[in-house]
Amino acid sequence: DAGVIQSPRHEVTEMGQEVTLRCKPISGHNSLFWYRQTMMRGLELLIYFNNNVPIDDSGMPEDRFSAKMPNASFSTLKIQPSEPRDSAVYFCASSLALGNSPLHFGNGTRLTVT
Amino acid sequence: AQKVTQAQTEISVVEKEDVTLDCVYETRDTTYYLFWYKQPPSGELVFLIRRNSFDEQNEISGRYSWNFQKSTSSFNFTITASQVVDSAVYFCALGGNFNKFYFGSGTKLNVKP
Repeated sequence: DAGVIQSPRHEVTEMGQEVTLRCKPISGHNSLFWYRQTMMRGLELLIYFNNNVPIDDSGMPEDRFSAKMPNASFSTLKIQPSEPRDSAVYFCASSLALGNSPLHFGNGTRLTVT
Repeated sequence: AQKVTQAQTEISVVEKEDVTLDCVYETRDTTYYLFWYKQPPSGELVFLIRRNSFDEQNEISGRYSWNFQKSTSSFNFTITASQVVDSAVYFCALGGNFNKFYFGSGTKLNVKP
């Protein structure tokens, strides 16, 4: 079984550019999460979806960030315009929509904004 | 409030030593779940274990063991006879209602040969 697949693995972009991160969850999982990891703040939950519907986006830093889940097998996290402080590793994770179901993480996208 | 505290920022041990990583949690939920994840230098986050709040039985898996104590709100992780490959950042996490997870800040474990 394939795990959570994220693309790209690395992204380097200039300030002001639009960045789109992609995620394919594990088949059959109906919850999807976007996390950001930095040295300063650790793992931060940005947004999560249940059955393709955004449930909690309180962690999204500001309006420059948006996330979509058009179907059960695909999600995007977009930053427009990007800023240097957005540089981080962005993880996507999926799980069954049960409280005791563990998160399964993708390998992450390392974003560098110059 | 939901919160996970990993007070040990970094621990260094010599190979074959035993090491315990501490995790203390806060929750108002009566049913909740606790998890440990490993993040090796390669960066991926690997699920290690899950415990339910109603099951305080300790668990052992090879060199790994977990001690869950509701009385002290702790879920500690012990590695016996540590190896260099155990070097990683370890995260404790709390899950509960609405499938929302709360992660601790992580403990970086350095195992030296």
